[in-house]
This record gives sequence, structure tokens and C-alpha cells, in this order.
Amino acid sequence: DQQVKQNSPSLSVQEGRISILNCDYTNSMFDYFLWYKKYPAEGPTFLISISSIKDKNEDGRFTVFLNKSAKHLSLHIVPSQPGDSAVYFCAAGLQGAQKLVFGQGTRLTINP
Amino acid sequence: DTEVTQTPKHLVMGMTNKKSLKCEQHMGHRAMYWYKQKAKKPPELMFVYSYEKLSINESVPSRFSPECPNSSLLNLHLHALQPEDSALYLCASSQVVQRLDTQYFGPGTRLTVL
Repeated sequence: DQQVKQNSPSLSVQEGRISILNCDYTNSMFDYFLWYKKYPAEGPTFLISISSIKDKNEDGRFTVFLNKSAKHLSLHIVPSQPGDSAVYFCAAGLQGAQKLVFGQGTRLTINP
Repeated sequence: DTEVTQTPKHLVMGMTNKKSLKCEQHMGHRAMYWYKQKAKKPPELMFVYSYEKLSINESVPSRFSPECPNSSLLNLHLHALQPEDSALYLCASSQVVQRLDTQYFGPGTRLTVL
């Protein structure tokens, strides 16, 4: 049973435009959500997180939106830059569970 | 400093070899993790250490043996591995296990089992 899903394996966006990456989850008890960015042959890099008590968190070009009723979160990158090309993982956590549940990842390609 | 370091970067070993992977962090984090990641898949949790004690073992085969000698170091001892164990092994740390929103990953060790 996959509790966190990223249904788009890949996404291609023009440089300067907005990139929107989506993530759905099934467990309404998740307390917080994170986005990681991963380059080939490197470990995931923490990007941004959001607590379940918020519906938006912004950090520079990155904004995460949480829709609890739809059990959906999205990561917006604007404007998109070539260096944003990477695999993006969303992850969800539960207080006391001591572990994150990861989605399958979305490969984002920014075209010049 | 939000760095988690891992050595070696690459490791090739035979099925009869014994080797160890090393992970280090100096952020004062008291929770450390081992993950395994296969190509095009998300990281899979293997072990969690909390205050140097093993907290979670995700039913990992005994040919993988973790060790946490102190709060900054985490080892993964490998013995009699199979070719299907070839993967990227990631170490991560967080302030405490309850603060997974502070989890940082190392660059990983790319393991190839022949």
C-alpha cells in the first residue's frame, strides 16, 4: 500500500516558467511533509517542508501548498532555472513514527 | 554546517567479502538512519538509531549489520552480500527521531556486489 504517491514520473518545463510538482497521500494522520531534490549519484537534498497546521510555506522561488481535505500537496518553483533539473521526492512524516514515507519521485527537466 | 559525510563514495565487493560503510555528522543530531535506494525508486528505510541505540530495523537481512559507536558516527557492516544488494546506500541524520523535518542526507555510497 503506497501511502505517498507522485503520479507524474517526469515533467518538462521551459526555463523561466512555473514548475508544479504534485504529491498525493492517503494517511490523514501525517503531521508534516517535505520535499527533497536529488541529482544523479548524490543523496537527496532537503528543499522545503510544511506542517499539517499550515496550508502554504514559501522559501524564495519555492512554495509548497497543502490541501488537507484533498490529501494533496504541490511544490511550485518560479521562475524555473536549468539547475532545477533533478528528481524531486515528496515525503510525509507522522509524529512518533520515527520514519518518513517517500513518494516515487518526479524527474523535472528545465529546457532552455 | 548541515553536512552528512559518507565514505567510501564507491565500493565494489565480491559475495564473500566483508566491508564497512561509514557515515559521520557533526550537527549534534541524535538520530541517524540508513536507507537503501535502487535506481528510479525512492529511498527505503533500513535502520534507525536514536541516542546511539537501535530503534528500528525494517526487517533487514542479517548480512547487513549496523553499528553506532558514538553520536556522530554510524557504520554499516556488510558480509556475504548478494548481487541484488547493489544500490546507493544513504545515511541521514535528524535532531531527534521526532524531528524528521530536520532530516539531512549524505551523498551516499554506490555499492556494487559482483
